[in-house]
Amino acid sequence: DTGVSQNPRHKITKRGQNVTFRCDPISEHNRLYWYRQTLGQGPEFLTYFQNEAQLEKSRLLSDRFSAERPKGSFSTLEIQRTEQGDSAMYLCASSTRQGKHYGYTFGSGTRLTVV
Amino acid sequence: GENVEQHPSTLSVQEGDSAVIKCTYSDSASNYFPWYKQELGKGPQLIIDIRSNVGEKKDQRIAVTLNKTAKHFSLHITETQPEDSAVYFCAASRMGGNTPLVFGKGTRLSVIA
Repeated sequence: DTGVSQNPRHKITKRGQNVTFRCDPISEHNRLYWYRQTLGQGPEFLTYFQNEAQLEKSRLLSDRFSAERPKGSFSTLEIQRTEQGDSAMYLCASSTRQGKHYGYTFGSGTRLTVV
Repeated sequence: GENVEQHPSTLSVQEGDSAVIKCTYSDSASNYFPWYKQELGKGPQLIIDIRSNVGEKKDQRIAVTLNKTAKHFSLHITETQPEDSAVYFCAASRMGGNTPLVFGKGTRLSVIA
């Protein structure tokens, strides 16, 4: 287990369809984050988990978005009734405490295109 | 909430020259400032970070400086090489990274051979 794994790498869907992405964090990392990145922008925070508990959700996370981390291991991000504005790269990161601080590792992302 | 501004948005340098990217932050409680490099089609990769208890940190050709009073931090890359070409992001977080990172909008660095 050498990094954060995200699947699929690319997803093309028609507007109105539901999509689900998966993130497998580094196994010993207890924190898992979801970010969204649009072209030419920095990643924007969506939500994060500590183990299986969802600790915070950004206001960017509309009610069409839901995230789970059922056993504190992998996580899924579902988008219902996709819209063209949902087209973006969805990044997952995991972290764990390293001494007094936390270190993040990002996955390669899932690029979503809504047509 | 935290707001991170990053400049410039694009930067072109000749191979061997230095590159400097600057960021400012708004939340005085932020105390962890990482820099990420993102290549096309990949996720951000941490290249260096600095905590608020130090003013400067160096790792080979890369250095980061932090001015807590002015709330700004900078990335310095010396002796640039073509493989340094990428998009660089600064970020800020409170509690040593225990809160979600807030990112700048990125700087596209092009190193011209």
